[in-house]
Amino acid sequence: KNEVEQSPQNLTAQEGEFITINCSYSVGISALHWLQQHPGGGIVSLFMLSSGKKKHGRLIATINIQEKHSSLHITASHPRDSAVYICAVNEKLTFGTGTRLTIIP
Amino acid sequence: NAGVTQTPKFRVLKTGQSMTLLCAQDMNHEYMYWYRQDPGMGLRLIHYSVGEGTTAKGEVPDGYNVSRLKKQNFLLGLESAAPSQTSVYFCASSSRGLWETQYFGPGTRLLVL
Repeated sequence: KNEVEQSPQNLTAQEGEFITINCSYSVGISALHWLQQHPGGGIVSLFMLSSGKKKHGRLIATINIQEKHSSLHITASHPRDSAVYICAVNEKLTFGTGTRLTIIP
Repeated sequence: NAGVTQTPKFRVLKTGQSMTLLCAQDMNHEYMYWYRQDPGMGLRLIHYSVGEGTTAKGEVPDGYNVSRLKKQNFLLGLESAAPSQTSVYFCASSSRGLWETQYFGPGTRLLVL
């Protein structure tokens, strides 16, 4: 069983919809990362969080340490949000396999 | 600032050939990392470095060697390439620790025939 599980694997939504991507993990962690991989392959770090919630623009990340679960939310989704979203945990960065998000205009 | 750069962008090797991938960062970061990304597998850490002259193994180090002779450069070597090493390789760096924000290079696509 993978230490990091993401759901859903694929998500297609209409522009403007509220998006939620989930990450569950089975190991103890110090913090969790959310990354965005663009269609061209480039990877950008979105958030690093160890508790509570962080917000950057239309992106919100939450984490519940007791439940070993994190969510990434996108409000007012836009086609430019189409990408693979990856969570990573553990000291040596164990990555989930990603959620491929497609926003249709 | 260029951030994190990787050389080459794409390479084709024959089984048994050797090559070195170069990662360079101009942010004066202490930590540097090499990952591979394979379909359905997610990113996996190969080796990392916590400072000039130091290296450590990650999750999948076999078949790779690394060196960090200068703070700004992190080299990944394949001594005898195998088809199983066909992958996309990403380098990253962070300022102080494994849990700091990582900055990724654009990736190197390697095909081993």
